[in-house]
Amino acid sequence: NAGVTQTPKFRVLKTGQSMTLLCAQDMNHEYMYWYRQDPGMGLRLIHYSVGEGTTAKGEVPDGYNVSRLKKQNFLLGLESAAPSQTSVYFCASSLGLAGFTDTQYFGPGTRLTVL
Amino acid sequence: QQQVKQSPQSLIVQKGGISIINCAYENTAFDYFPWYQQFPGKGPALLIAIRPDVSEKKEGRFTISFNKSAKQFSLHIMDSQPGDSATYFCAASFTGTASKLTFGTGTRLQVTL
Repeated sequence: NAGVTQTPKFRVLKTGQSMTLLCAQDMNHEYMYWYRQDPGMGLRLIHYSVGEGTTAKGEVPDGYNVSRLKKQNFLLGLESAAPSQTSVYFCASSLGLAGFTDTQYFGPGTRLTVL
Repeated sequence: QQQVKQSPQSLIVQKGGISIINCAYENTAFDYFPWYQQFPGKGPALLIAIRPDVSEKKEGRFTISFNKSAKQFSLHIMDSQPGDSATYFCAASFTGTASKLTFGTGTRLQVTL
């Protein structure tokens, strides 16, 4: 099992450019999440999904879009990148048991710099 | 609004010492409190977790102490080792929210020889 994988590992963008970050999990998990990690701010939830075809906003969704067309994949898009989106992005997944809070498994992260 | 406050921001402990990291929460609906460990260049990984029906949980050298009335919980690392040097995040969640976690701001622990 590869667990949670993220593509790419590093990326540099210019302001206004767009890009898509790919997250894939091979654990048959229902729930998937996108976080950003910034110094001194911990991890903040951007968007999440509770199943194929569903998405919902997290704490800091502005400037990002997501899609979950396949259960194993969760895509995070930046339509017009801004320097404030310079961050490390983590994807996570969890089993998704109704009425139960279960463990989130994190990917290795994508370091994004917007110039 | 920061719902989970974590302290200290950084911590230096000698090998063999006890590392203590504290967290306080505001939302009394939280019913699951995990700690995540993150090594440089890696994603966070679950270390240990507790639910509010117990006041303490121990796994090896790692212990969570939980004080429901004070809305506080802490991580104790006994006999700290250089391999424990990492960033530690506390978090909180409550049932019915798709296992969403609210994280603290993190504590960078350095264990010196």
